[in-house]
Amino acid sequence: DVQVTQSPSSLSASVGDRVTITCRASKKIANYLNWYQQRPGKAPDLLIYVASTLQSGVPSRFSGSGSGTNFSLTISNLQPEDSATYYCQQSYSDLRTFGQGTRVEI
Amino acid sequence: EVQLVESGGGLVQPGGSLRLSCAASGFTFSTYAMTWVRQASGKGLEWVSGISVTVGSTSYAESVKGRFTISRDNSKDTVYLQMNSLRVEDTAVYYCAKVTRWNGRDYMDVWGTGTTVTVSS
Repeated sequence: DVQVTQSPSSLSASVGDRVTITCRASKKIANYLNWYQQRPGKAPDLLIYVASTLQSGVPSRFSGSGSGTNFSLTISNLQPEDSATYYCQQSYSDLRTFGQGTRVEI
Repeated sequence: EVQLVESGGGLVQPGGSLRLSCAASGFTFSTYAMTWVRQASGKGLEWVSGISVTVGSTSYAESVKGRFTISRDNSKDTVYLQMNSLRVEDTAVYYCAKVTRWNGRDYMDVWGTGTTVTVSS
């Protein structure tokens, strides 16, 4: 199975800041990596798929990069509505796995 | 509007069974894989099971393998999760999600609002 490990587990930042969340896979997974945002009490929403492709309707301040084992999600010009938990997820192996989540506080 | 609506959650005793349903609308259900993801209170997301467009292809997390069965009825635009031998640790909100494939990769692009399963005596 492929495990994905996120860091940090939480962070606090201010409006307008740039923040980066990292995700490391336990083996090379090319670009089989997606990112989701989950606001409190809500279902997750897809942000980025295949490591760097922005889902339709997602603000351009979100970006993703990486390949192989190391990936990152960057939020530029942080906004109050970005307060949420972010998860990476690998789709390389048949047994999908999520990272443990990164809570972003504004 | 693309929509997924889960149902069937509730309170069940350890060792009991439940069947969750997820009704899809707004897209051609039969051409998409589907998946179930759960989230215990205050915890992260855990992938549970997936089913391909071809009904014969299913996969399960080790934590539920042998106890849960995923299935789909394309005539009803519905995916199911039969949960047997339930344990306290299966208590969670269960989400279904639509899986889209792109260039050989896939991602969960539409999610339901979830249904709550509580396993307790």
